[in-house]
Amino acid sequence: AQKITQTQPGMFVQEKEAVTLDCTYDTSDQSYGLFWYKQPSSGEMIFLIYQGSYDEQNATEGRYSLNFQKARKSANLVISASQLGDSAMYFCAMREWGAQKLVFGQGTRLTINP
Amino acid sequence: GAVVSQHPSWVICKSGTSVKIECRSLDFQATTMFWYRQFPKQSLMLMATSNEGSKATYEQGVEKDKFLINHASLTLSTLTVTSAHPEDSSFYICSAPLDPGAGELFFGEGSRLTVL
Repeated sequence: AQKITQTQPGMFVQEKEAVTLDCTYDTSDQSYGLFWYKQPSSGEMIFLIYQGSYDEQNATEGRYSLNFQKARKSANLVISASQLGDSAMYFCAMREWGAQKLVFGQGTRLTINP
Repeated sequence: GAVVSQHPSWVICKSGTSVKIECRSLDFQATTMFWYRQFPKQSLMLMATSNEGSKATYEQGVEKDKFLINHASLTLSTLTVTSAHPEDSSFYICSAPLDPGAGELFFGEGSRLTVL
């Protein structure tokens, strides 16, 4: 069963606008972490933001924030004031602490238009 | 953050040959490392979990005799693609956590394998 679902294969946004990338997850564990990674065309995986299942506050890192709705099992990434350099693939991932491994969603290709 | 280095960045080989990819944690010790494969325009699929000093744990559908994993030290894991075929052409990327039980994974730069 798919544990991480990203329903937006592609998103197109104007520069300087905010964008929300959707992510829903499925787990029966109480302890888990949710992650967002950016993958530019070079292939490297760049860590953006992390949310722990017990964290009550939404995580923020600069222009990135994570809209964590535990009851809905969603962990959407919000990028404020988008920049041309934000164009890349974005992956949502989950790590169940018992299992250790990181499982990825299908990814969303974000394109920022000037 | 922690640094994970992968080598080679890209490799081209003939069908039937074996290729070794190295993954090193440069500034921390990694008892566990993870190997992923990514086909073009697809997500990262976990192939196996590499455990220092013990056998790797393979995901369902991954041939352990074809993808040999050796985690000989706390800073080095290797993936050997044996008798490579064109369908093995892919982007292979390793990762390691600072804390095996929690936190983010740090990724290597990835290795692009092309089998002719």
